[in-house]
Amino acid sequence: DQQVKQNSPSLSVQEGRISILNCDYTNSMFDYFLWYKKYPAEGPTFLISISSIKDKNEDGRFTVFLNKSAKHLSLHIVPSQPGDSAVYFCAASGSGGYQKVTFGTGTKLQVIP
Amino acid sequence: DTAVSQTPKYLVTQMGNDKSIKCEQNLGHDTMYWYKQDSKKFLKIMFSYNNKELIINETVPNRFSPKSPDKAHLNLHINSLELGDSAVYFCASSHLGDEQYFGPGTRLTVT
Repeated sequence: DQQVKQNSPSLSVQEGRISILNCDYTNSMFDYFLWYKKYPAEGPTFLISISSIKDKNEDGRFTVFLNKSAKHLSLHIVPSQPGDSAVYFCAASGSGGYQKVTFGTGTKLQVIP
Repeated sequence: DTAVSQTPKYLVTQMGNDKSIKCEQNLGHDTMYWYKQDSKKFLKIMFSYNNKELIINETVPNRFSPKSPDKAHLNLHINSLELGDSAVYFCASSHLGDEQYFGPGTRLTVT
């Protein structure tokens, strides 16, 4: 039972254009969402997060949008750079106390120079 | 200066053996985790410790035993290794409820 889904296993984007990575979740108890980036042979690194009280959070070239009614979030990268090529994991958890984080299966982004 | 380190990075062993993976963090975090990433790339939580106490224990065979000697260390011991244990194991740490910092992973291959 995959509660966090990333339906696109891969995405190719031209350098300088926008990359949009999507994520859907099924558990309505999730209220904290994160994106991680992973390079080959390395562990995931935290990128950006959003709480359910917001619908947008921005950090430099990275923006995460949350649509609670649709149980959908997306990560926008503008402009995309070749160094952004990596696997991006969406993750979600409940709030407070000992809440485990549930990860999606990842989307492999390739930014073409 | 490595924040979350794991040893070894690669581990090749035969079925039935017992092996350990070590994890250390120097971030001063109070919570540590073990994740398993299988061949389908699912990253699934196995265990979590907060201040040396077990707080998350997913449905994991009891051949897997975590041990936290102090807040900076969380080791994973696996008894009687099976083919299906082959995976990449990631250690992570955080302040409770915050984003997690991951180690580089240990690729375990059971032959």
